[in-house]
Amino acid sequence: GENVEQHPSTLSVQEGDSAVIKCTYSDSASNYFPWYKQELGKRPQLIIDIRSNVGEKKDQRIAVTLNKTAKHFSLHITETQPEDSAVYFCAVPALRAGNMLTFGGGTRLMVKP
Amino acid sequence: EAQVTQNPRYLITVTGKKLTVTCSQNMNHEYMSWYRQDPGLGLRQIYYSMNVEVTDKGDVPEGYKVSRKEKRNFPLILESPSPNQTSLYFCASSLVGRNEQFFGPGTRLTVL
Repeated sequence: GENVEQHPSTLSVQEGDSAVIKCTYSDSASNYFPWYKQELGKRPQLIIDIRSNVGEKKDQRIAVTLNKTAKHFSLHITETQPEDSAVYFCAVPALRAGNMLTFGGGTRLMVKP
Repeated sequence: EAQVTQNPRYLITVTGKKLTVTCSQNMNHEYMSWYRQDPGLGLRQIYYSMNVEVTDKGDVPEGYKVSRKEKRNFPLILESPSPNQTSLYFCASSLVGRNEQFFGPGTRLTVL
């Protein structure tokens, strides 16, 4: 199936610094690239997504960039705050019908006050 | 309120005792799916359904069954649970043509 790798697995930053999480995928036909945030004990929730016809998308302090040639996309969080502490997952559509997603292994982001 | 619900939220059981985790959505979504979440492995697909009476295997279907008799419900059945099925399970739903998955609150299952 689709191979999705996410790095780093843990990331610790000082409040106010930027954080970048990278995701690589294997299927060049993938056309949808979401990022989910999962706070401790909660369900994953979509925070930003991008489609293959654009290279970058921003929403306030978060942005996603896409490099289709290299088959990777990244999540950028600027001016990090303690409430950004969570596990972040990238995902791509699975290599089959059904809207299912193949997720990366997750990145635990810790923002130190 | 638009939502995906799961029951039970927590369950401790013993090996071999059949159990069902229910999932229901009130958003009229066609697609529904089950994932399991294990430390370091992210979320892995178990089964999905594209509509009523249409189901298919995900990446880790062994030991699980599903059914989709009604559009809103997609129960996950463990006929003979084993300790390696101890995990956090999420149900999700989405619309045809829209990739965003809406997740339920999760069910933490422990099989002793």
